[in-house]
Amino acid sequence: SAVISQKPSRDICQRGTSLTIQCQVDSQVTMMFWYRQQPGQSLTLIATANQGSEATYESGFVIDKFPISRPNLTFSTLTVSNMSPEDSSIYLCSSKTGDSSYNEQFFGPGTRLTVL
Amino acid sequence: GDSVTQMEGPVTLSEEAFLTINCTYTATGYPSLFWYVQYPGEGLQLLLKATKADDKGSNKGFEATYRKETTSFHLEKGSVQVSDSAVYFCALSGRTGGFKTIFGAGTRLFVKA
Repeated sequence: SAVISQKPSRDICQRGTSLTIQCQVDSQVTMMFWYRQQPGQSLTLIATANQGSEATYESGFVIDKFPISRPNLTFSTLTVSNMSPEDSSIYLCSSKTGDSSYNEQFFGPGTRLTVL
Repeated sequence: GDSVTQMEGPVTLSEEAFLTINCTYTATGYPSLFWYVQYPGEGLQLLLKATKADDKGSNKGFEATYRKETTSFHLEKGSVQVSDSAVYFCALSGRTGGFKTIFGAGTRLFVKA
């Protein structure tokens, strides 16, 4: 299993600013992901964070808006840039210990972002 | 592409009632199937999983059977408790999706005492 922590747990930010969310896993993991979860909604995958290379973004998400770093096998950051109220959401970090279909995913507690 | 469809909520039950949350999927090949649960104010956690046809996943009194013939993975519990109140997500992971996990919309369950 993997225990994931995120910082900050919540923040209130002004329009036009940027916020960087940190994700720390207590063990080395193969795959790390960033999701967005609107209140009462399902999870939307933003990108897969690749260790040592550029993240792989899903349709509708771009690097300029959501730059991601993954310097090693236990840590990743997601930046929400030039924020607008539409970016208000819960951002979840997730990992898989293997890259097979049967590997479960582990989730952090989430970062609740409110943009004014 | 691969997808997951689950019954809309919210579902409201009295304590000790029987629970069924329907989930069907569309996928090429043989994906693994999961149920995740999100308790209020917490992140998602795995509830149970099944990795091949006819497998039954079970945990905390919950069960789900991988039915390839009906492409379903319905979640059941014989007697729910107030502490089961949460949002339940059906999900799949398969080769065609690059082993990324695809989640259903989630079903919120309220259990009344």
